[in-house]
Amino acid sequence: DAGVTQSPTHLIKTRGQHVTLRCSPISGHKSVSWYQQVLGQGPQFIFQYYEKEERGRGNFPDRFSARQFPNYSSELNVNALLLGDSALYLCASSRRSGGDTEAFFGQGTRLTVV
Amino acid sequence: RKEVEQDPGPFNVPEGATVAFNCTYSNSASQSFFWYRQDCRKEPKLLMSVYSSGNEDGRFTAQLNRASQYISLLIRDSKLSDSATYLCVVNQIKAAGNKLTFGGGTRVLVKP
Repeated sequence: DAGVTQSPTHLIKTRGQHVTLRCSPISGHKSVSWYQQVLGQGPQFIFQYYEKEERGRGNFPDRFSARQFPNYSSELNVNALLLGDSALYLCASSRRSGGDTEAFFGQGTRLTVV
Repeated sequence: RKEVEQDPGPFNVPEGATVAFNCTYSNSASQSFFWYRQDCRKEPKLLMSVYSSGNEDGRFTAQLNRASQYISLLIRDSKLSDSATYLCVVNQIKAAGNKLTFGGGTRVLVKP
């Protein structure tokens, strides 16, 4: 079975631009979460979606938005990019929503804003 | 104070030795705990869940101390391939969903 897949793997954008990152969860998993990992730090929670509904939102500005599609894949959108948005963006897939659920990560999208 | 704190290390460990490190969490409502392993420039990978009674998986042992609000990871007979950053993850069980809160990671370097 395929694991969590993310695209693209690498991306270079200019300040002020917009970016869309994509994630396909493990087959049978209905929950997708997004995390931002800045170099040298642990991942920070951005969003969780379950059954196409937002179930959680981290402390990120409104420039960050996301959605989940009927096939449970997800997109993370970031508007008006800042240099500080440069990071590894990770998507995590879980079978269900709930605190005891194990999460599995994709390889991430490495975003560089110049 | 950060919700989840870890000693960043690095812990320099001779091959074959035992290494242990802790992670403290601030929210007493936290109810599920995990250790993830992350290799350089790779995604985090689930190492093990941490259960209240403590649990072991091969050379790895995880413990939970709710009274003092910390979890620990012990690695026995360290291998060169154990070199990685170990991320402590805490989760609050909420009806709505699960938000994983990560520590900053503990870097372990196993040397010959």
